[in-house]
Amino acid sequence: DAMVIQNPRYQVTQFGKPVTLSCSQTLNHNVMYWYQQKSSQAPKLLFHYYDKDFNNEADTPDNFQSRRPNTSFCFLDIRSPGLGDAAMYLCATSRGAVDTEAFFGQGTRLTVV
Amino acid sequence: AQTVTQSQPEMSVQEAETVTLSCTYDTSENNYYLFWYKQPPSRQMILVIRQEAYKQQNATENRFSVNFQKAAKSFSLKISDSQLGDTAMYFCASANYGGATNKLIFGTGTLLAVQP
Repeated sequence: DAMVIQNPRYQVTQFGKPVTLSCSQTLNHNVMYWYQQKSSQAPKLLFHYYDKDFNNEADTPDNFQSRRPNTSFCFLDIRSPGLGDAAMYLCATSRGAVDTEAFFGQGTRLTVV
Repeated sequence: AQTVTQSQPEMSVQEAETVTLSCTYDTSENNYYLFWYKQPPSRQMILVIRQEAYKQQNATENRFSVNFQKAAKSFSLKISDSQLGDTAMYFCASANYGGATNKLIFGTGTLLAVQP
C-alpha cells in the first residue's frame, strides 16, 4: 500500500500559469520534503517542513512556495512556472531524526508548455 | 558544501552476476550518513542500504553490501546474485548526522540494467 502519495502523476501547465502539486502521507511522519529532479540531474531539495515549521533552502527560487495544512498533506505551489521548471517533483517524509529512512512518493512529472 | 558524485551514468550486468556501483562524496562534517536509494522504473525511490560514518564495519543487507572508505571518501555498492528486479536507477546520497531532519544530498544516479 502506498504510504506517500503524490497527485497527479503527470501535470501539464501553461507558461506562467500557477500550478499546485499535492502530497499526502499515511505514516504520521513529522518531516515532509520536496525535491526537484531534472532530467539527468541529482534530486535537489527545495524545502521541508518539520511539523509546522517551514525551512527553505537558500537557493530555492521565490517562485516556489509550500503549504502544510496538517500532518498528512503538503503542497508545492509554483506561482509562475517557466520552461526551466519542467522536472519530476518528489515528495518524501521521515520521522524526524537523521538516522531514519526517508519514504518517497512516486513523483509528479511537470511539463510546462 | 556537501557533494556526491556518481561517475557511472549507466551499467549493465548479467542475471546472477555481481556488480559494483561507485560513489564518491565530499563533506567537511565528521559525522554523517551515507545511503543508496533505488528508483525502479515508474516507481518510488526506496532505501537500499545505509552506513553511519562513525562505524568502521561495512553495512550489509542481504545481497547488497557497501565498501565504505572514509579516508578516500568513497562509498560503493555491491549487488551480488543480480536479479531482474534490481533493474533501476541507483542514487548515492549523504546526510549530516545529528540534525532533526534527513536532508539528502544526492548524486546524479547510475542506471543499472540487469540482463537475462
